[in-house]
Amino acid sequence: AQSVTQLDSQVPVFEEAPVELRCNYSSSVSVYLFWYVQYPNQGLQLLLKYLSGSTLVKGINGFEAEFNKSQTSFHLRKPSVHISDTAEYFCAVSPFTGGFKTIFGAGTRLFVKA
Amino acid sequence: SQTIHQWPATLVQPVGSPLSLECTVEGTSNPNLYWYRQAAGRGLQLLFYSVGIGQISSEVPQNLSASRPQDRQFILSSKKLLLSDSGFYLCAWSPGLAETQYFGPGTRLLVL
Repeated sequence: AQSVTQLDSQVPVFEEAPVELRCNYSSSVSVYLFWYVQYPNQGLQLLLKYLSGSTLVKGINGFEAEFNKSQTSFHLRKPSVHISDTAEYFCAVSPFTGGFKTIFGAGTRLFVKA
Repeated sequence: SQTIHQWPATLVQPVGSPLSLECTVEGTSNPNLYWYRQAAGRGLQLLFYSVGIGQISSEVPQNLSASRPQDRQFILSSKKLLLSDSGFYLCAWSPGLAETQYFGPGTRLLVL
């Protein structure tokens, strides 16, 4: 079975500051890793994903994430945030063997202050 | 390109009334389809998923049901709503089970 832990439920940060949203997972099989973003009253959209290859993954809107297999982490980072980045961010994992289930973390609410 | 539609966008229903939420996908065939519920301030709870017409897997036993009458149509239903059914309902599709999921705009349901 898989599980996802997003270590911070809320992250307040000032505009133009860097931010890191933390995600740890556990799984007995290899997984794909995803970060999704949800703006208020909207559905989720994909920010980035790790399937294989380079452990540093770049996504939309200047976000990037690094897969660390030994620490089973997939932290999301942005060097300089904007007010428009205020949203909820979800980490998710999907096993690519042994059948399906995508597991979502509980979400981290990023609040960017002017 | 693919698009996913959900309706209605907002719904206010009395306790004990029936429910029908509809989701349709355009621009792809044989998608995997999902229904999620998001309670206020909480994460996503997978309710149902479907890998094909008439094939429904339930993740959480409750008073909700799902049906897939056509390849790109997914319906969430209830015969009698409970207060606890209030929330934000999201439909999603993916080309494969472990692949990226593409979400609809959601339906906000308030049961009074």
